[in-house]
Amino acid sequence: AQKITQTQPGMFVQEKEAVTLDCTYDTSDQSYGLFWYKQPSSGEMIFLIYQGSYDEQNATEGRYSLNFQKARKSANLVISASQLGDSAMYFCAMREGDGGSNYKLTFGKGTLLTVNP
Amino acid sequence: EAGVVQSPRYKIIEKKQPVAFWCNPISGHNTLYWYRQNLGQGPELLIRYENEEAVDDSQLPKDRFSAERLKGVDSTLKIQPAELGDSAVYLCASSLKSWGPYEQYFGPGTRLTVT
Repeated sequence: AQKITQTQPGMFVQEKEAVTLDCTYDTSDQSYGLFWYKQPSSGEMIFLIYQGSYDEQNATEGRYSLNFQKARKSANLVISASQLGDSAMYFCAMREGDGGSNYKLTFGKGTLLTVNP
Repeated sequence: EAGVVQSPRYKIIEKKQPVAFWCNPISGHNTLYWYRQNLGQGPELLIRYENEEAVDDSQLPKDRFSAERLKGVDSTLKIQPAELGDSAVYLCASSLKSWGPYEQYFGPGTRLTVT
């Protein structure tokens, strides 16, 4: 089974509107972390937001927020007030384990977001 | 503060040739990662270092890939001999720690083309 599933290969949004990028994950660990990264066409991966499995509140970072639904094992990224510069590939990733030998880090296949003017 | 530095940015080689990639992580970051990213895919972890120790190399094809992180700072990833299927972007990342809310900082990557 896929550890990280991003079901939207591509998404379009109008400038200044909000958009939600979906991410579901599969793990039997109680302690894990979820990350979202942005990869513009230049290729560099840029960290956006982090959610720990024990965090009670949804993470927010500026225009980015994470809609964390633990029971559904989903960690959707919400971008508010989209800007043209948000056009990029977005990756959801999950870290399982505590940094020791059972540590695993898995990325999804990504969603290509295009912001239209 | 300087980010993660990688070189070269691009490399074109013929199959069966050797190739090496270099990475200098952010100062003070103990954890260093090498990833391979195929076109249209997410990064796949090849190896993770904690200081100079390779603590997870389960995804590294050891028959042709090798890596080292001498003195726990910069790192080199080598492929010998390269195959056509090795064409990809090789990303290096570093983080303060490998657990907890410590994000990874990525370098610009090395785009390898094997002909």
